[in-house]
Amino acid sequence: GAGVSQSPSNKVTEKGKDVELRCDPISGHTALYWYRQSLGQGLEFLIYFQGNSAPDKSGLPSDRFSAERTGGSVSTLTIQRTQQEDSAVYLCASSLELAGPYEQYFGPGTRLTVT
Amino acid sequence: AQSVSQHNHHVILSEAASLELGCNYSYGGTVNLFWYVQYPGQHLQLLLKYFSGDPLVKGIKGFEAEFIKSKFSFNLRKPSVQWSDTAEYFCAASSGGSYIPTFGRGTSLIVHP
Repeated sequence: GAGVSQSPSNKVTEKGKDVELRCDPISGHTALYWYRQSLGQGLEFLIYFQGNSAPDKSGLPSDRFSAERTGGSVSTLTIQRTQQEDSAVYLCASSLELAGPYEQYFGPGTRLTVT
Repeated sequence: AQSVSQHNHHVILSEAASLELGCNYSYGGTVNLFWYVQYPGQHLQLLLKYFSGDPLVKGIKGFEAEFIKSKFSFNLRKPSVQWSDTAEYFCAASSGGSYIPTFGRGTSLIVHP
């Protein structure tokens, strides 16, 4: 079946511009996660959704970052006024349920480069 | 704060060598443990997981991991590595009290043919 998809796969933007990253999770997965992967830094958790709700936004690095999920499906991560330090690979993952032994299924990521 | 530590950041082996990658977590109580792998140019995928029962878990491609509760460890092992095992390996943990799986920084494994 279809896995987690993300778009765009690559995004180059100028400093100060806004960007939107999209994640389409596996159908029926209630939990959705966003991570940021920088070279040599592992995975940095950003935010999770249970359905359309994001109870904990403390992982977002600054108020320039926001995310939403609609219809319990597609999620969008928005970065406003991008900075060079925002350059990274942004990963989305979904799982059947939140917490517990449910594995996460990852998308291919969006590589964001801020020039 | 809950954390996951991977002590080996870079490992270089020759084919047929044995592999053990360390993973320690700081959670107390019930814990779910995972190893994910990211092959070059591919997305992260699950290698194996532990959530209860037999502490020795077998995964895909001949990998296994052992949960040792007293040591807060979940080390990944493979008796004989292949060139195709070249990848980045991530250990992750989640507990009943947290909805957020915590990932280690990853271990880069290079296997020379």
